[in-house]
Amino acid sequence: AQTVTQSQPEMSVQEAETVTLSCTYDTSESDYYLFWYKQPPSRQMILVIRQEAYKQQNATENRFSVNFQKAAKSFSLKISDSQLGDAAMYFCAYRSALNYGGSQGNLIFGKGTKLSVKP
Amino acid sequence: KAGVTQTPRYLIKTRGQQVTLSCSPISGHRSVSWYQQTPGQGLQFLFEYFSETQRNKGNFPGRFSGRQFSNSRSEMNVSTLELGDSALYLCASSDGTTPWGDTQYFGPGTRLTVL
Repeated sequence: AQTVTQSQPEMSVQEAETVTLSCTYDTSESDYYLFWYKQPPSRQMILVIRQEAYKQQNATENRFSVNFQKAAKSFSLKISDSQLGDAAMYFCAYRSALNYGGSQGNLIFGKGTKLSVKP
Repeated sequence: KAGVTQTPRYLIKTRGQQVTLSCSPISGHRSVSWYQQTPGQGLQFLFEYFSETQRNKGNFPGRFSGRQFSNSRSEMNVSTLELGDSALYLCASSDGTTPWGDTQYFGPGTRLTVL
């Protein structure tokens, strides 16, 4: 079974600085997707960034970028120029690319990292 | 497009009762997945529906059930509520038709409290 581990329960960053959130995963599959979701206090889960395992190029979305190391099974999220609105729980998630009986597979989440942004 | 909507947003029930939660996916999305979020267990997958059929199921007891209607709206039902069912229930929708998977978009959740 696949597992996702986020080893940093809490992190803090100064406004305008850069922070990196860690995520490792365990799988025997070669094709899969990785995601970072953000959950602010409102509890709405918001997609931050997505990475396809077959792509070597790291995904980037504005101030958010990932460092995807497939061999090491590592998928870290870098937030540049941190803003107060970035304060939230961040979840790393894995999704198989295999098709089981028509299902595209569910998301497997890590426990999350709570990010605080100091003004 | 409007996002995923869930109703009600908050619910308080007592042990032994049953509850029904509703989810309306993004227009055009045919897949709806449900997740339970608790402080202890984190986010756990309940089930997925596509074209009114359950095509994937997590490891939850039979008290948890769901269904999907022809307009892709989905309901989740929990019977004989237990204290441990107190959680945030999140619904996510996706296109559901692409062969290699697609992104799930989440609703705001329903906060269920069981007393």
